Amino acid sequence: AQSVTQPDIHITVSEGASLELRCNYSYGATPYLFWYVQSPGQGLQLLLKYFSGDTLVQGIKGFEAEFKRSQSSFNLRKPSVHWSDAAEYFCAVVASGGSYIPTFGRGTSLIVHP
Amino acid sequence: EAGVAQSPRYKIIEKRQSVAFWCNPISGHATLYWYQQILGQGPKLLIQFQNNGVVDDSQLPKDRFSAERLKGVDSTLKIQPAKLEDSAVYLCASSLGERPSGTRNEQFFGPGTRLTVL
Repeated sequence: AQSVTQPDIHITVSEGASLELRCNYSYGATPYLFWYVQSPGQGLQLLLKYFSGDTLVQGIKGFEAEFKRSQSSFNLRKPSVHWSDAAEYFCAVVASGGSYIPTFGRGTSLIVHP
Repeated sequence: EAGVAQSPRYKIIEKRQSVAFWCNPISGHATLYWYQQILGQGPKLLIQFQNNGVVDDSQLPKDRFSAERLKGVDSTLKIQPAKLEDSAVYLCASSLGERPSGTRNEQFFGPGTRLTVL
């Protein structure tokens, strides 16, 4: 079965600084990979996804993520963080063969200082 | 376009009581999901419907949880009887199709129902 690790529970950055949120997965083949954002009291919103092809994926709100097969990673990046980016970020993996049950990481809470 | 609607937004019950949550997916979305999100954890899929049929319920605690999707549209999730460990946010999501790799198969999430079991 697949698994997802988000090693950072909290990340604090200053507004305008760059951001990288880490995500590592465990799966025997190339999975489908997703990043979601959850603001307080809200449901999850899809930021970006990777299925195949170009390993650098562009998403909404200026986010991008890079799939690195050799490191089993799918880290989320943003060059300049805005205060409105403060939220919980979840990485998720779906097995590309068979069942399409998603597995989510525990999330990383992003705190943005003015 | 209206999003996924859920009610109630908050519910507090005593253990061993029953509770039900309601979800109205985006119009035309064939696939509906119920997730449980315990504080400090990511969402865990409980059950997935394709129209009014169950695709996967392998992670649903069937001794106390049940779910149905009436006429392939609205869905209800019930817990009977509730335990303390059921305290969580219950998220409903919908998508056009089943396969996540489909170009239009993004899951859209509702705001969730926060359940507190005392």
